[in-house]
Amino acid sequence: EVRLLESGGNLVQPGGSLRLSCAASGFTFSTYEMTWVRQAPGKGLEWVSTISGSGARTYYADSVKGRFTISRDNSKNRLDLQMNSLRAEDTAVYYCTNRIVGVSYWGQGTLVIVSS
Amino acid sequence: DIQMTQSPSSLSASVGDRVTITCRASQGIGNNLAWYQQKPGKAPKSLIYGASRVQSGVPSKFSGSGSGTDFTLTISSLQPEDFATYYCQQYATYPLTFGPGTTVDIK
Repeated sequence: EVRLLESGGNLVQPGGSLRLSCAASGFTFSTYEMTWVRQAPGKGLEWVSTISGSGARTYYADSVKGRFTISRDNSKNRLDLQMNSLRAEDTAVYYCTNRIVGVSYWGQGTLVIVSS
Repeated sequence: DIQMTQSPSSLSASVGDRVTITCRASQGIGNNLAWYQQKPGKAPKSLIYGASRVQSGVPSKFSGSGSGTDFTLTISSLQPEDFATYYCQQYATYPLTFGPGTTVDIK
C-alpha cells in the first residue's frame, strides 16, 4: 500500500524558513517523480514543485522559484521541501503526491502558517 | 502555461441526479487529465486518471471522458457522500495546473 506522510508544518514569521518532509512507503521510491501541491485556506489546489526519480530534474511554480528547493533522499525514501523567504501568501496546507502508472496518491497534508 | 477551466463553478443537485462537470484545457493535453474529489478538511481523493480510467476502489458511478482540450466528469446517480468539490488537473506538461474546482451541494 502506498503511503505518504508529511511533516514539518508550523507557524513561521514572514521572511523565515521552514523545511517540510514526506516519508514514503509501499513503492519503489527512486523510480517515481514526487510532487508538492499546496492549498491556501478556502482556495483551490496549486502545484508547487516536482522532482524526478533520480533527483536530477526539478520543476517549480513561478510563485516559489528561487525561494523553495525540492530534494529527495532515495536511501531514506524521503522527499523534502526547503522553503525560504516565506510570505503570507505561502500559508497553506502542503501535500506530498506522486503518480504511479497514472494513478495519483496523496498524503494527508501539513499546515504552514506564515504570520507575525 | 496551460490554463484549466471548469464549469459550472458550483451546482446544486438532488440525491439520485445525474451530474456532469466540464473541464477545458487552453491547449491540447491528449488524455493526461485527472479528476479529484475533495471534502472539507480532507486531502483530495483521486477519482479518474488518463481522462477516463477510474482509480481502483472508486465506485463505478464515476466516469470520465474526453481527449485533447475538452473533458467531462459524470456522476451517474448522486449520493449524499458525493457532495464535495471536484477538481480537474492536467499532467501533460509543466507547470502542472488545476482547474478552479466545482462545488456540488445539496439542492
